[in-house]
Amino acid sequence: LAKTTQPISMDSYEGQEVNITCSHNNIATNDYITWYQQFPSQGPRFIIQGYKTKVTNEVASLFIPADRKSSTLSLPRVSLSDTAVYYCLVGVLYSGNTPLVFGKGTRLSVIA
Amino acid sequence: EAQVTQNPRYLITVTGKKLTVTCSQNMNHEYMSWYRQDPGLGLRQIYYSMNVEVTDKGDVPEGYKVSRKEKRNFPLILESPSPNQTSLYFCASSLGREGLGNEQFFGPGTRLTVL
Repeated sequence: LAKTTQPISMDSYEGQEVNITCSHNNIATNDYITWYQQFPSQGPRFIIQGYKTKVTNEVASLFIPADRKSSTLSLPRVSLSDTAVYYCLVGVLYSGNTPLVFGKGTRLSVIA
Repeated sequence: EAQVTQNPRYLITVTGKKLTVTCSQNMNHEYMSWYRQDPGLGLRQIYYSMNVEVTDKGDVPEGYKVSRKEKRNFPLILESPSPNQTSLYFCASSLGREGLGNEQFFGPGTRLTVL
């Protein structure tokens, strides 16, 4: 069961790039790395996922080094609406008999 | 609209009174899951289901039951609720197929208070 470690909180000013790193030293060969965003009293929302190297979509980039023991979520030019909790999740759904562990997340506060 | 729905959204009950929280998805997803979220503890998985009639325990299954008789529904049952089950509950679903990773779609949440 791949456990993850993230910073508890981060602060950033509007317009800056934010990088949140997640450590997952015992990631398994088949595991994906997935990031979610959660606003207060709402369900988490999928942001991005990857297996190796770099993945980019319209909202974020995900950098995964060759050893896959960590990953970095990059949010370009954050705005106040990006204030949320970000969860790093490592695992794979279809493997069965392996619960997914979300961890405690990183609380990002964007300041004007 | 593709979505995961949960009912009720809010529930206050008393210790020992059986309750069911329903979850339904309209995306033909194979994988469904229940989570609870408590302050300072993040999201913890209660039960999950890979397909109809297939369910498995998550991290914190004690005190809960689930069933998956139809693909779209995955109810969470508390046979004898206790105050330590007061929490915010989320249902989620996913295609759950190999090569498609872990994208899960979450419901709006059910806030449960057990007195």
